[in-house]
Amino acid sequence: DVKVTQSSRYLVKRTGEKVFLECVQDMDHENMFWYRQDPGLGLRLIYFSYDVKMKEKGDIPEGYSVSREKKERFSLILESASTNQTSMYLCASRGSVEAFFGQGTRLTVV
Amino acid sequence: GNSVTQMEGPVTLSEEAFLTINCTYTATGYPSLFWYVQYPGEGLQLLLKATKADDKGSNKGFEATYRKETTSFHLEKGSVQVSDSAVYFCALSDFTRNAGNMLTFGGGTRLMVKP
Repeated sequence: DVKVTQSSRYLVKRTGEKVFLECVQDMDHENMFWYRQDPGLGLRLIYFSYDVKMKEKGDIPEGYSVSREKKERFSLILESASTNQTSMYLCASRGSVEAFFGQGTRLTVV
Repeated sequence: GNSVTQMEGPVTLSEEAFLTINCTYTATGYPSLFWYVQYPGEGLQLLLKATKADDKGSNKGFEATYRKETTSFHLEKGSVQVSDSAVYFCALSDFTRNAGNMLTFGGGTRLMVKP
C-alpha cells in the first residue's frame, strides 16, 4: 500500500520559531509537493520538487523554503513562523498519473 | 493558464439522494482529470480518475466522465450515504510548468448528507 507520511498531525509553535515539516514517501516518486489549505482558499501550492536537490516555487512561496536531500524526503521550512502561517499543510508525491497525499499537519502559530 | 472551476458548496442532501457536483476546466493539450475526497481532519484521497476523452472513472459508487467537448468532469452518485459527507476536489494534470506533473485543483465542494 502506497504511503506518504507527514511527521506530525498537529503542531503548535511560537512566533519567530524556525519550523520544520517533514514528509516521506515510499513510492520512489520523483515529484513531491507542499500545499497549504485554508478555508475559502482551497489548496495553494507552496513549493514542489521534481528531483533530489531540485525545487521550484509554487504560487505562495514567501516565508517558506524547502529541502530535498533524498528522493523519499521533502521538508518544508518556515524560517521565522508568523501567525498568518497558521494553516493545514499537505504534502503530496506523484509518479506518472495521480498524486498521493499525506494526512496533513495542522500548524498553529501563537 | 490552466484552471478548474467547481460548484461552491455546501451541498446538503438527504441520504439516498442523487448527487451531482459540477466541474469544468480550462487546459492546454490533453490533461488527465481527477476527483479527490477529503474527510474531516484528513489529507486528500484519490476517488477516481480519467486520462483521456470519453473515459469514465468510477469508484465506491461515484462516477465521472471526461467530456472534452464541454470541458467537464462532473461527479455523480446515485444514492449518497451519510459516510459520503466530505469535501470533494476536482483536479487536472498541469504540464505547463517546467517540471511537469503538476496538479491544478478546484476550490473544493463540501457535501453534507443528512440521515
